[in-house]
Amino acid sequence: GDSVTQMEGPVTLSEEAFLTINCTYTATGYPSLFWYVQYPGEGLQLLLKATKADDKGSNKGFEATYRKETTSFHLEKGSVQVSDSAVYFCALSEYNQGGKLIFGQGTELSVKP
Amino acid sequence: EPEVTQTPSHQVTQMGQEVILRCVPISNHLYFYWYRQILGQKVEFLVSFYNNEISEKSEIFDDQFSVERPDGSNFTLKIRSTKLEDSAMYFCASNLSGGASRQETQYFGPGTRLLVL
Repeated sequence: GDSVTQMEGPVTLSEEAFLTINCTYTATGYPSLFWYVQYPGEGLQLLLKATKADDKGSNKGFEATYRKETTSFHLEKGSVQVSDSAVYFCALSEYNQGGKLIFGQGTELSVKP
Repeated sequence: EPEVTQTPSHQVTQMGQEVILRCVPISNHLYFYWYRQILGQKVEFLVSFYNNEISEKSEIFDDQFSVERPDGSNFTLKIRSTKLEDSAMYFCASNLSGGASRQETQYFGPGTRLLVL
């Protein structure tokens, strides 16, 4: 079945450092890909998405490109802030299959001043 | 912006008791979901619901779980006889077309943290 694998956390960075969180997926079809963010004590918020190969999703300085050839959707940000400290989840959803999301295990990011 | 709401935010119950978690999806959405996140683990799909019936369920969603849309706005998850391992954060979500559009977004509620003692 479909699955998502993320790099292990926690990741600790200094403010203004470059962030990469790796995500790879296995899918039987042609899924849409998502990054969700969970701030401490809160629910899941969509951060960005991409729906087809070579699409780049972006939001709040974060970017991720849908790479079909490497089945990857790595999250990047050029300069992280303390306020970016959260857990980041990569997820996929197969097209026209009821909309359920399959999540990776989450990567906790801690940004120090 | 419309949002998914969930009540209660926290629930503590004794093992073997029944709990009902409530959700109000976004009003024009047609597909509803429950997910579970055990502390420190990944978010797991439990069940999806469309047109007043379950459209898909995971192997986690066994006979002790049930879902219902009792009126035009609420969507509930019932756990009939809670076990210690049911302690988790439960998220409700909704979307408009159930994945029929690549552009649509699934919106999540803030979650209910369930603790079974």
